[in-house]
Order: sequence, then C-alpha cells, then structure tokens
Amino acid sequence: EAEVAQSPRYKITEKSQAVAFWCDPISGHATLYWYRQILGQGPELLVQFQDESVVDDSQLPKDRFSAERLKGVDSTLKIQPAELGDSAMYLCASSLTSYNEQFFGPGTRLTVL
Amino acid sequence: QKEVEQDPGPLSVPEGAIVSLNCTYSNSAFQYFMWYRQYSRKGPELLMYTYSSGNKEDGRFTAQVDKSSKYISLFIRDSQPSDSATYLCAIAGSARQLTFGSGTQLTVLP
Repeated sequence: EAEVAQSPRYKITEKSQAVAFWCDPISGHATLYWYRQILGQGPELLVQFQDESVVDDSQLPKDRFSAERLKGVDSTLKIQPAELGDSAMYLCASSLTSYNEQFFGPGTRLTVL
Repeated sequence: QKEVEQDPGPLSVPEGAIVSLNCTYSNSAFQYFMWYRQYSRKGPELLMYTYSSGNKEDGRFTAQVDKSSKYISLFIRDSQPSDSATYLCAIAGSARQLTFGSGTQLTVLP
C-alpha cells in the first residue's frame, strides 16, 4: 500500500540551529501539504503545494521557515534558526488533487533545546 | 474564538461502551466534515467523511452533522481497545483546506 514517507522521524536540535525535514508523497499525488501539530492540539496548515507551486503559505512564518517542492514530487521544509517554540510534530500529507482525501505521513517529531 | 472547538477529553471507557465525540464550529461556510483517528506516534488517518446534515454510518462508527447548530459528532458503538487513539474532527470549506479541532484522546479499557 502506498504511503507518505517522512524523514527523519525524530530530530533534536539546539535553538538557533538549522533543521530540515523531507517528505515523499504518494506517487502521482499533485497536492502536498505541510502541517505543524503542537502537543495536545490539532494539525495546523503551514504550506500547500500544487505540483511545484505554492498555493497557500499564509500561515508559514517566513522569517524562519521555508518550503520547496522543486520537481513537483518530494518536498523539504526548513527552519532556520530553530526556536524553542518550534518543538512540535511536523506532518506531511498528500492528495491526488486538492479535492481528494489527504493521506498523512508518520511525521517528524522536533525537539528544540 | 477558534473556528473549531472540540471536547478536549481525555475520555476513558470500558470495552463495549458507546462513545460520543463532539465538535462545534463557527463558520457556516464550512461544507465538509471529517473525523480522523490518530494513533500515538502516527499521522492522522481519515475515518469518516460527510458533506450534508444527517447521519452517516460505517460499521461501528456513525458521523452526525447538524449544520443548523454547527455541531458534529462521532459515535463509536461496541468500543474496542483497538479504538484507543486521539480523534480529530476536521472541517473544510469549498477550497477543501482542513481546519482541525484540538483532538480528544480516547482510551478503551479491556
């Protein structure tokens, strides 16, 4: 069964360091999402891609966060510099189109010390 | 006020109990209503999806939507220990972007 892959699964870093997360969506899925889920809360959308284009990054803290999906397949989310408040689960999801079911990856658990 | 409010829990029930999970929302433009299940250290998975008021049943699970009251519910019949997870309601408008509730952690005791 096709799944969304994410790596690393866990990341511990010190504040002010740079971190990067990788996502490989289900093959053929044109729409890719990055969410942040703080412990005890629901996921919040950070950025949505349609193929290689950003559809919505209104909730992405652009002073420190960046996201790219250069070839319209896999994607990278970067934080530089990391802050204590960035500790959360970062989830990637993909869907065939923006009107189809979103399938979530297992997430990357980030801890900033 | 958050767009989606979910009963926070946590909820602990004996095996076989009927479980009721609830969310309210504020924006009448929301048209699509979903329930996700999230096991520990995993991503959410879609459990139920509906776009109209009324009930939708799938096995032991029933999703209920009342658009006039802006209220959605998920009922689990004959709950099992394997149902222990966090349940997230999610609501979307015409653009299909998901707004999630904060989740309810459910534990079903054997």
